[in-house]
Amino acid sequence: QSVLTQPPSVSAAPGQKVTISCSGSSSNIGNNYVSWYQQVPGTAPKLLIYDNNKRPSGIPDRFSGSKSGTSATLGITGLQTGDEADYYCGTWDSSLSVVVFGGGTKLTVL
Amino acid sequence: EVQLVESGGGLVQPGGSLRLSCAASGFTFSSYEMNWVRQAPGKGLEWVSIISSSGSTIYYADSVKGRFTISRDNAKNSLHLQMNSLRAEDTAVYYCVRDPSWNTVNLDYWGQGTLVTVSS
Repeated sequence: QSVLTQPPSVSAAPGQKVTISCSGSSSNIGNNYVSWYQQVPGTAPKLLIYDNNKRPSGIPDRFSGSKSGTSATLGITGLQTGDEADYYCGTWDSSLSVVVFGGGTKLTVL
Repeated sequence: EVQLVESGGGLVQPGGSLRLSCAASGFTFSSYEMNWVRQAPGKGLEWVSIISSSGSTIYYADSVKGRFTISRDNAKNSLHLQMNSLRAEDTAVYYCVRDPSWNTVNLDYWGQGTLVTVSS
């Protein structure tokens, strides 16, 4: 049981938009920055979004992040087959003094 | 180019010990917080431990507290994870992960991972 809650799977057609939610509490998302990671099967995770909505260099602006209260959202527009991967949200939990991740969301581009 | 290369994984019996290492290059190692994150086969990411840039502050996940010890050698640009009293549920790929800042979770570079299998 993960501290952060994500939907197990989402799907959309190529070219469409999808959002992935990440729900937490005041001790984690509510008072800390959220980051998002993309993991293509068989490879290491890659940082997509940090500090709620910032993109590292090299990450296309098709990827966006937002946060409101105790929830965060990853948005992906112009879906490509190469976007098929598992996506994880992560943040610090101030009460537990640990890093917490969501359970992961599998994105299928139909 | 930032590189994180893990080593030390392998097959170990329940109750045994293993020491993982991570060789860092391409950045000023002593300026960054470092983490270990693991992933059991077919499962999601699980954070294991974090150590501050100086090594003075350390946190562990409850699942490994008292059994695992994280350490670093800034002179040798290396990160370590001493794992004792290993259990079957510790079987996972272990990633060495860089974090530029202490107050946020910003895991910007990941190693390729090393597989630890705990089985008799």
